Amino acid sequence: QKEVEQNSGPLSVPEGAIASLNCTYSDRGSQSFFWYRQYSGKSPELIMSIYSNGDKEDGRFTAQLNKASQYVSLLIRDSQPSDSATYLCAVNKDSSYKLIFGSGTRLLVRP
Amino acid sequence: KAGVTQTPRYLIKTRGQQVTLSCSPISGHRSVSWYQQTPGQGLQFLFEYFSETQRNKGNFPGRFSGRQFSNSRSEMNVSTLELGDSALYLCASNSGTGRHEQYFGPGTRLTVT
Repeated sequence: QKEVEQNSGPLSVPEGAIASLNCTYSDRGSQSFFWYRQYSGKSPELIMSIYSNGDKEDGRFTAQLNKASQYVSLLIRDSQPSDSATYLCAVNKDSSYKLIFGSGTRLLVRP
Repeated sequence: KAGVTQTPRYLIKTRGQQVTLSCSPISGHRSVSWYQQTPGQGLQFLFEYFSETQRNKGNFPGRFSGRQFSNSRSEMNVSTLELGDSALYLCASNSGTGRHEQYFGPGTRLTVT
């Protein structure tokens, strides 16, 4: 079992729809959770961080964390073609700067 | 505020050679992490440096090494290059707060032939 799992996709949604990206992790001691966006040929860009159970909203993005079920999700409202990218889920297991990444979900937003 | 810089951006090396990559973190950040990204293995942690000391190391062979200087700039070195070392090498500048946020540089694309 991988430590951080994501569906590789592609997840295809029409423009204006809500895109829902999911991630599960295996270590119950995980403390910090991050979503990165990576465009093809570019480096990952941090878009959301979440540390406690519940929802965290930032603009069109909402991160959701459920530690009991060991999953973290990212909702993108009013999806735009420019949101088409690979979304990487990352988990920090301890108080370090060592992130464990999922393999990423490719999102395609159709105009 | 300047972002993370990495040099060089592209490198082509031959098997058996060695390579040194450089990273300058965001001004004020004292910790740097290095990652390797390949299509097959994804993003994997190499090591992290803080105040010139390695604090964490991933599961890579000893051919992969790094160091950090007093101005927080960091270098990583790969000796005796293998074809499988072809990858995007990413440096992350670490926020230094309890939030553990990391900000990636543009990366160095290494091709080993």
